[in-house]
Amino acid sequence: EVQLVESGGGLVKPGGSLRLSCAASGFTFSNYSMNWVRRAPGKGLEWVSSISGRSGYLYYADSVRGRFTISRDNAKNSLYLQMNSLRAEDTAVYYCARAQTVGANVLGYWGQGTLVTVSS
Amino acid sequence: DIQMTQSPSSLSASVGDRVTITCRASQDISNYLAWFQQKPGKAPKSLIYAASSLQSGVPSKFSGSGSGTDFTLTISSLQPEDFATYYCQQYNSYPRTFGQGTKVEIK
Repeated sequence: EVQLVESGGGLVKPGGSLRLSCAASGFTFSNYSMNWVRRAPGKGLEWVSSISGRSGYLYYADSVRGRFTISRDNAKNSLYLQMNSLRAEDTAVYYCARAQTVGANVLGYWGQGTLVTVSS
Repeated sequence: DIQMTQSPSSLSASVGDRVTITCRASQDISNYLAWFQQKPGKAPKSLIYAASSLQSGVPSKFSGSGSGTDFTLTISSLQPEDFATYYCQQYNSYPRTFGQGTKVEIK
């Protein structure tokens, strides 16, 4: 069974940093692209970032490029999102999501999410 | 960036109704279109990929169609557990983009 468990969310001041983690199990982690998606309060889903299985390809939304860094450790079956220079508009529930198949990065499986609140 | 526009933004329907949600892409995305369901306080759930392929375990009352720029999600007979917000997303190119969501409410 595919399981994705996010952690690392919390309350942080504007300009601060936070590192989110996603622990994966139930599949061969290195075979799949992974993603971060967020949902801000009262808003819709927003794709944040994607990383290919061997970390060769990284993609970011314009809203986070230069501030957020996606990474993974295939030996630890873990996905990360380093978030720097946080802003109030980064407040959201952040979801880790796995690609549905090895070949195409369509979102297939989701974690339960971790809440990030950016406030002074 | 590819813009995804869903309509309607919300709808009220009764149990047993047939419901259709549309999603339009600002440029041709072939069939690289997925649909997701999200209930309050819960993680999104993947329903459909490749415009019309049902995710494993998703009931057949959900169906998707379309290609190019125009797509639809249909729920054949709405049940209480289907009241939720539905999103389309294109995965033809980066940045991935979602529609703004369609909230399906009880009439």
